[in-house]
Amino acid sequence: GNSVTQMEGPVTLSEEAFLTINCTYTATGYPSLFWYVQYPGEGLQLLLKATKADDKGSNKGFEATYRKETTSFHLEKGSVQVSDSAVYFCAFYSGGGADGLTFGKGTHLIIQP
Amino acid sequence: ETGVTQTPRHLVMGMTNKKSLKCEQHLGHNAMYWYKQSAKKPLELMFVYNFKEQTENNSVPSRFSPECPNSSHLFLHLHTLQPEDSALYLCASSQDLAGGPGPTDTQYFGPGTRLTVL
Repeated sequence: GNSVTQMEGPVTLSEEAFLTINCTYTATGYPSLFWYVQYPGEGLQLLLKATKADDKGSNKGFEATYRKETTSFHLEKGSVQVSDSAVYFCAFYSGGGADGLTFGKGTHLIIQP
Repeated sequence: ETGVTQTPRHLVMGMTNKKSLKCEQHLGHNAMYWYKQSAKKPLELMFVYNFKEQTENNSVPSRFSPECPNSSHLFLHLHTLQPEDSALYLCASSQDLAGGPGPTDTQYFGPGTRLTVL
């Protein structure tokens, strides 16, 4: 069935370090891919998305590329800040019957000054 | 007020209580969703409404009862809940662009209601 696999963490990095959060998915059809971020005490906010193969989504210095051949959508940022500390969720929408998003368990990111 | 709002933000209830969660979206969307977020588990889709019609019910126990009186408002009525129902309940909305069987655009989330069942 449909699923998303991502590292759960916590992932702890120092400020200005390079970030990679891996995400792979299992889906029927040709899904749209998303990264959402959840700051403490808040709901989920869309961070970036990609809707077709080789598309690159980007926002706030974060990037992720839709890799259909490896069914992956890894999140990267070149230099993280303390304010990036949050939980990051990889998700996809397959549009085939179920109309909601399929989410991973979330990756808790902690950035230390 | 803009975006997706949810009330209350926090709710504590006993197993015999009846309460309701409210969600309102100010984005002009026509699809709304309820998700459950529990610790160490992926977000679970509970219900989907598209143009006020329920299109998805992911085997949710009947002690959860959704209501969508119009495309801007969504309720989740709760009764005789169990302690394992304690979680963050998130509402989301999106716009159906394709005119097909379901919404296709990005989902926007509210801040959630933190529910504790004693």
